[in-house]
Amino acid sequence: AQSVAQPEDQVNVAEGNPLTVKCTYSVSGNPYLFWYVQYPNRGLQFLLKYITGDNLVKGSYGFEAEFNKSQTSFHLKKPSALVSDSALYFCAVSGSRGGSYIPTFGRGTSLIVHP
Amino acid sequence: KAGVTQTPRYLIKTRGQQVTLSCSPISGHRSVSWYQQTPGQGLQFLFEYFSETQRNKGNFPGRFSGRQFSNSRSEMNVSTLELGDSALYLCASTSELAGFVGEQFFGPGTRLTVL
Repeated sequence: AQSVAQPEDQVNVAEGNPLTVKCTYSVSGNPYLFWYVQYPNRGLQFLLKYITGDNLVKGSYGFEAEFNKSQTSFHLKKPSALVSDSALYFCAVSGSRGGSYIPTFGRGTSLIVHP
Repeated sequence: KAGVTQTPRYLIKTRGQQVTLSCSPISGHRSVSWYQQTPGQGLQFLFEYFSETQRNKGNFPGRFSGRQFSNSRSEMNVSTLELGDSALYLCASTSELAGFVGEQFFGPGTRLTVL
């Protein structure tokens, strides 16, 4: 079985400050990790993924994530937050199930960036 | 390429009725997954279709069903609606050309309200 934990329901940060949204995972074998963002009344949008290679993954809109195998974490980061980054963020992990890799999503973290 | 489209965007039904939701994936994508999103449960996997066959299924009762057509368009059906079925239903497609680690592309969702 695979699972994802996003320990914070909400993260508050001031505009211009760095932000971190936390994610830990559990999966058998090699993890395939994803971050998605959801704006109000919209579907999820892909931000970045880790498959293999460099532990620091760069994605859309200036976001990056660091894969840490020993801590089974994949935290999302951004050096300088924008008010427009305020949204719901989902971490997901994939593992083989029935021949395709169906991701398991975390419960989401609401990021609020204050002006 | 056009993105994933879902129709209708909003639906209001009463208990006991049935409903059919439609999803058109990105052109060339043959894998279509459905998710139920609620504030309390987060994103729950319903089922995945590939080449007109259900390849994976989540833990939902038999009232939830789906199908996929030869053009990869997919429908999901919920019979005998219950109040607890009120949710945002999301459809996502994936390119098999990306291998098993391709990201999912989500539609905007169908907001179902059961009265």
